[in-house]
Amino acid sequence: DVKVTQSSRYLVKRTGEKVFLECVQDMDHENMFWYRQDPGLGLRLIYFSYDVKMKEKGDIPEGYSVSREKKERFSLILESASTNQTSMYLCASTTGSSYEQYFGPGTRLTVT
Amino acid sequence: GQQVMQIPQYQHVQEGEDFTTYCNSSTTLSNIQWYKQRPGGHPVFLIQLVKSGEVKKQKRLTFQFGEAKKNSSLHITATQTTDVGTYFCAENAGNMLTFGGGTRLMVKP
Repeated sequence: DVKVTQSSRYLVKRTGEKVFLECVQDMDHENMFWYRQDPGLGLRLIYFSYDVKMKEKGDIPEGYSVSREKKERFSLILESASTNQTSMYLCASTTGSSYEQYFGPGTRLTVT
Repeated sequence: GQQVMQIPQYQHVQEGEDFTTYCNSSTTLSNIQWYKQRPGGHPVFLIQLVKSGEVKKQKRLTFQFGEAKKNSSLHITATQTTDVGTYFCAENAGNMLTFGGGTRLMVKP
C-alpha cells in the first residue's frame, strides 16, 4: 500500500512564525504536491515537484515556498505565517506514469 | 487557470434515496477524476474518465463524462450511511489536478 505521511495532524502557530510542514511518501513517486483545503473552495494547488530539487508554482504560491532535497520528502514552508494561512494542508504524490494521486492525512494549521 | 464548478455544495438525503453531483467547466476538459473524502479523512481516488460520453460503474456509483467533455456527473443509487462524505471532481492536466469545490453528502438513516 502506498503511504503518504505528514509530520503533524494539528499545528498552532503565531503570526510571523516560520512554519515547516513535512511530507514523506514511501513508494518512490516522482511527483509530489501541496494543496490547501478550505470549505467551499475544494483543494487548491500551492506547489508541486516533478523531481528532486525541482519545483513549480501552482495556483496559489504566494506566501509559501517548498523544498525537495530527497525524492521521498517534500516540505512546505510558510516564511512568515499569517492568519489567512489557517487551513487544512494536504500533501499528495503520484508516479510519472500513473494518474491517481495518493493523499496524506493532512495537517490542520491554525495561525493566531 | 481552468475553473471547475461543482454543484450542489451540500446535499441531504434519506438513506435509500439517490444522489447526484455535477461538475461543469466552460472549456473542454482533458479528463476528469473523482475523489471521495470521508469526514476527518483525506481524499481517496475513485475513478478517471477520459473519453467523450464515457460511462463507468462501480457498484452503486455511476460516473459519466459529457459528450462535449465539459461536464461530468457522479450518481449514487440507493444511498447508504457509508456514502457520507465530500465528493470532488478534478481535471487532470499533465499530472496537475484542478479541483471543484466538492459536494458534501449527508445521509439520514
